[in-house]
Amino acid sequence: AQTVTQSQPEMSVQEAETVTLSCTYDTSESDYYLFWYKQPPSRQMILVIRQEAYKQQNATENRFSVNFQKAAKSFSLKISDSQLGDAAMYFCAYIYKGTYKYIFGTGTRLKVLA
Amino acid sequence: KAGVTQTPRYLIKTRGQQVTLSCSPISGHRSVSWYQQTPGQGLQFLFEYFSETQRNKGNFPGRFSGRQFSNSRSEMNVSTLELGDSALYLCASSPGVLAGGTDTQYFGPGTRLTVL
Repeated sequence: AQTVTQSQPEMSVQEAETVTLSCTYDTSESDYYLFWYKQPPSRQMILVIRQEAYKQQNATENRFSVNFQKAAKSFSLKISDSQLGDAAMYFCAYIYKGTYKYIFGTGTRLKVLA
Repeated sequence: KAGVTQTPRYLIKTRGQQVTLSCSPISGHRSVSWYQQTPGQGLQFLFEYFSETQRNKGNFPGRFSGRQFSNSRSEMNVSTLELGDSALYLCASSPGVLAGGTDTQYFGPGTRLTVL
């Protein structure tokens, strides 16, 4: 069965510093996609970044980048120059072709300290 | 473009009642998915619809059902509510153009259901 594991329930980072959130997944599929979503206290889930498994290049979006290690089935999110607005729950998600459903990790709560 | 909208935002029901939640996708999006979010179970997939057809369903009892209309709007219904159904119900829409349903999903704000 496909699973997504986020082993860090909570993390803290100083404003302007860099933090890395971990995510591992288990799958025997080859055509899959990975995502990081952010859920601020207002509860609206927002897409942070998307990675296609067939692409070797790591996705980046401004201050957000991923380290995608396909063989290790690891998909970590790096947030650079952390800002107070980055405080939120971060969910790692996985979908493989033909299933039409995301499988989510349990989330990591990120606190940003001023 | 307006985002995904869900109504109502908050709902309080008692055990045994039924409830209907509504979701309007982003304009042009044809796929709608529903998820249940609870502190204990996290985010669990309920079902996905595309062009009024259910393409996948999660491991939930038959009390949970859904449908999609020709304008892509979707509703989910929970009958005979139980205390454990208290949760945030999230709707997500996607264009539905990529093969195999791998489009990025965009989430609504959710409906907070409390069952007393």
